[in-house]
Amino acid sequence: GDSVTQMEGPVTLSEEAFLTINCTYTATGYPSLFWYVQYPGEGLQLLLKATKADDKGSNKGFEATYRKETTSFHLEKGSVQVSDSAVYFCALSDQGGSYIPTFGRGTSLIVHP
Amino acid sequence: GAGVSQSPSNKVTEKGKDVELRCDPISGHTALYWYRQRLGQGLEFLIYFQGNSAPDKSGLPSDRFSAERTGESVSTLTIQRTQQEDSAVYLCASSSDGTSNQPQHFGDGTRLSIL
Repeated sequence: GDSVTQMEGPVTLSEEAFLTINCTYTATGYPSLFWYVQYPGEGLQLLLKATKADDKGSNKGFEATYRKETTSFHLEKGSVQVSDSAVYFCALSDQGGSYIPTFGRGTSLIVHP
Repeated sequence: GAGVSQSPSNKVTEKGKDVELRCDPISGHTALYWYRQRLGQGLEFLIYFQGNSAPDKSGLPSDRFSAERTGESVSTLTIQRTQQEDSAVYLCASSSDGTSNQPQHFGDGTRLSIL
């Protein structure tokens, strides 16, 4: 079945540091890939997505590239801010399988001033 | 515009009581999902509604859990004879048509505490 594996957190960075959160996946079909962000006390919000190989999703300075050859969708940001502190979830939705998305376990990011 | 709305935002109840959680999806969204999120954990899928099709109940953890949806609008998740392990945040999400390239839109959740 489908699965998503994220690096374990928490990831702790200083403001303006470079961020990478790794995400790899296993899917039976041709998935769409997503990153969601969850701020304390809130639901998840879509951060970015990519629907086919080599697509790059980007939003608010975050980027992720759909790499089919390595089955990865790593999240990056060049310079993090304190306000980026949140939990980040990688997810896939497999066109060839169920329309129920598969989520990773989430990675907590803590950014210090 | 209006997003996904969940109520109540917080619910505290005694063990053994029944609870009902409500979700109002974004208008026009045919797909609706319920998830459970225990403290510090990821999302656990519970149930999926798509239009007028039979719901996918494969994630419901026991027969104490049930959910209904009226057409393509409001959904309620009911937990009967609550147990302490039911304490969690219950998240509802909707998407425009449930296809793989459409993102989910989440509500802020209902935080359920069982005493």
